[in-house]
Amino acid sequence: GIQVEQSPPDLILQEGANSTLRCNFSDSVNNLQWFHQNPWGQLINLFYIPSGTKQNGRLSATTVATERYSLLYISSSQTTDSGVYFCAVVSGTSYGKLTFGQGTILTVHP
Amino acid sequence: DARVTQTPRHKVTEMGQEVTMRCQPILGHNTVFWYRQTMMQGLELLAYFRNRAPLDDSGMPKDRFSAEMPDATLATLKIQPSEPRDSAVYFCASGIRDTQYFGPGTRLTVL
Repeated sequence: GIQVEQSPPDLILQEGANSTLRCNFSDSVNNLQWFHQNPWGQLINLFYIPSGTKQNGRLSATTVATERYSLLYISSSQTTDSGVYFCAVVSGTSYGKLTFGQGTILTVHP
Repeated sequence: DARVTQTPRHKVTEMGQEVTMRCQPILGHNTVFWYRQTMMQGLELLAYFRNRAPLDDSGMPKDRFSAEMPDATLATLKIQPSEPRDSAVYFCASGIRDTQYFGPGTRLTVL
C-alpha cells in the first residue's frame, strides 16, 4: 500500500515563530488532508488539498502531486497550535480510505 | 454546526466483556469510517461503509470485531470478547466528496 512519511517527527518553537511541516507519499493520490490533533485528542480538519495551494488565516498548505509531497506552513505560531499534525492520503481506487502518516508533534512555548 | 458524535466518550471494562461503541455521522454524509489510534500503530482504518454498505473491513480482527450500520444515522463497532490489547482510542469519521470529519473518539481501556 501507499506509504506516507512526515517530517520532522518533533518540532519545538517559541511563540511567534514560523514553521514548515512536510508530507511525502509514495504513490499518486486522489485526496490529501491535513489534520490537527489537539491536546484533548480531537482531530480537526485543516485542509483538503490534493493539489495546489490553500490558505486559512495563519495556516497554508501546498501539494505538488507530481512530486508527491505536501507542505503545511504555520506562521506566527501560537501556543494553541501545539498538538500533532497529521497528513493523510487516499490513493488509487481505495474508495476514500485514508492512510495516515505518523504525525509531527508540535510544541509552541510562550 | 454539524458534527460527528460518538458514545461513550470513555469506557473501562474487564477482559472478556462485550464493548459497543456508537457513532452518529453528519447528516447527508454517505461514507462512515472507523479508525483506531494507539501510540505504537498510530491511526489505523478498521472498517468503512458507503451508503451503509460495508466496503472494507480488512483492518479488523474478524474473530472479535464487528461493524454495522443499521441505519443512516447510526454506526456501531462491537468487540466481543474484549482483550487488553484492544485498549485504544476509537474514532468514527463521516465523509462526503473525499473529505472526512472525525468524531471526538471513544477512549477504551480493557483491564
